[in-house]
Amino acid sequence: DTGVSQDPRHKITKRGQNVTFRCDPISEHNRLYWYRQTLGQGPEFLTYFQNEAQLEKSRLLSDRFSAERPKGSFSTLEIQRTEQGDSAMYLCASSLGGLAGAQYFGPGTRLTVL
Amino acid sequence: GENVEQHPSTLSVQEGDSAVIKCTYSDSASNYFPWYKQELGKGPQLIIDIRSNVGEKKDQRIAVTLNKTAKHFSLHITETQPEDSAVYFCAGEASGGSNYKLTFGKGTLLTVNP
Repeated sequence: DTGVSQDPRHKITKRGQNVTFRCDPISEHNRLYWYRQTLGQGPEFLTYFQNEAQLEKSRLLSDRFSAERPKGSFSTLEIQRTEQGDSAMYLCASSLGGLAGAQYFGPGTRLTVL
Repeated sequence: GENVEQHPSTLSVQEGDSAVIKCTYSDSASNYFPWYKQELGKGPQLIIDIRSNVGEKKDQRIAVTLNKTAKHFSLHITETQPEDSAVYFCAGEASGGSNYKLTFGKGTLLTVNP
């Protein structure tokens, strides 16, 4: 399967703990996006990478959130000092460069903060 | 920023009937509009997309129409089947230079009754 992969698929943590998620995009895609989805809502944009450069961060991405994409390949999203409000599905998507390209999503990581 | 509204929030049809989901957007600079299908516990799956230089696009039983003047676009599914049951999301590409983030509607839960 050459689609977008995410790991882990599920994460349960206690409030105050740090968590890190990984996303592996489709190999030839140079754009990578993180979205967050809560129950009954559409995905909401968090941040976006063009190769290794992080070009935009949403206001939703508080100081406790950090994302990296070293070497322009896989990406990690870290949440420090998790809060119950962080419970959500974290989705990664990737696309080709050029004009607006179709974004392909991974299966997501479901985070539950107890 | 872009705002996307989607209607209806739920839609129930009989197998073989057609289903139509409508979306409106606010940013006249938006020029890319994808539709995603999301099944329970999975990431969104791109099913069709349309760019602003095209008024209609069709792929087998699925079609999308775009009216840029009125700033609305619609998804049409013909000859619905039970496996079409899922949540469908429309999205618009938010303008902003090099940013290609998507703004999603709140979703439509489609139920196809056998």
